[in-house]
Amino acid sequence: LAKTTQPISMDSYEGQEVNITCSHNNIATNDYITWYQQFPSQGPRFIIQGYKTKVTNEVASLFIPADRKSSTLSLPRVSLSDTAVYYCLVGESGTYKYIFGTGTRLKVLA
Amino acid sequence: EAGVTQSPTHLIKTRGQQVTLRCSPISGHTSVYWYQQALGLGLQFLLWYDEGEERNRGNFPPRFSGRQFPNYSSELNVNALELEDSALYLCASSRDRYQPQHFGDGTRLSIL
Repeated sequence: LAKTTQPISMDSYEGQEVNITCSHNNIATNDYITWYQQFPSQGPRFIIQGYKTKVTNEVASLFIPADRKSSTLSLPRVSLSDTAVYYCLVGESGTYKYIFGTGTRLKVLA
Repeated sequence: EAGVTQSPTHLIKTRGQQVTLRCSPISGHTSVYWYQQALGLGLQFLLWYDEGEERNRGNFPPRFSGRQFPNYSSELNVNALELEDSALYLCASSRDRYQPQHFGDGTRLSIL
């Protein structure tokens, strides 16, 4: 079974850059890597998606090395409202089942 | 543009009963996905439907089933409910399997 692991929790201060890494050792060759933000009692909210190298949008950047066995979500200049749980989502090689990461609870401090 | 909508928002059932959860995807999205988020177990993939067909399913027993209708809306059915089925059930939709999945806010199912 694919293991998709993330750090359990991270603390940061407002205005800092936060990097959250996801390890996905059995990712499907043709599948994308997607990151989500989830607040309590809400569904995951899409942040960014990529296949390889680097992708950037208005809220985040996603770095994916050549072997695609990991990915790093970068949040520039976090604010208190970024306090949430962050998940990666990948497709599993062979089965193409969707596997969510274990989730990282980010706490932003004033 | 309306997002993914799920109904009901909350549901209370007892062991052995059956339940049906509903999902309306974003307009233009043909793929629908179901996930279970149980306390302490993270987000678990349940089912994927595309163009009315079941394309893949996660490691759940056959009492979890569903279908997708011609208008791309979907139902998740759970038979013979067990206490461990208590969870938030999330539906997502996408234009195709390579586009991002967009989630609804889920149905909270409690089993007594």
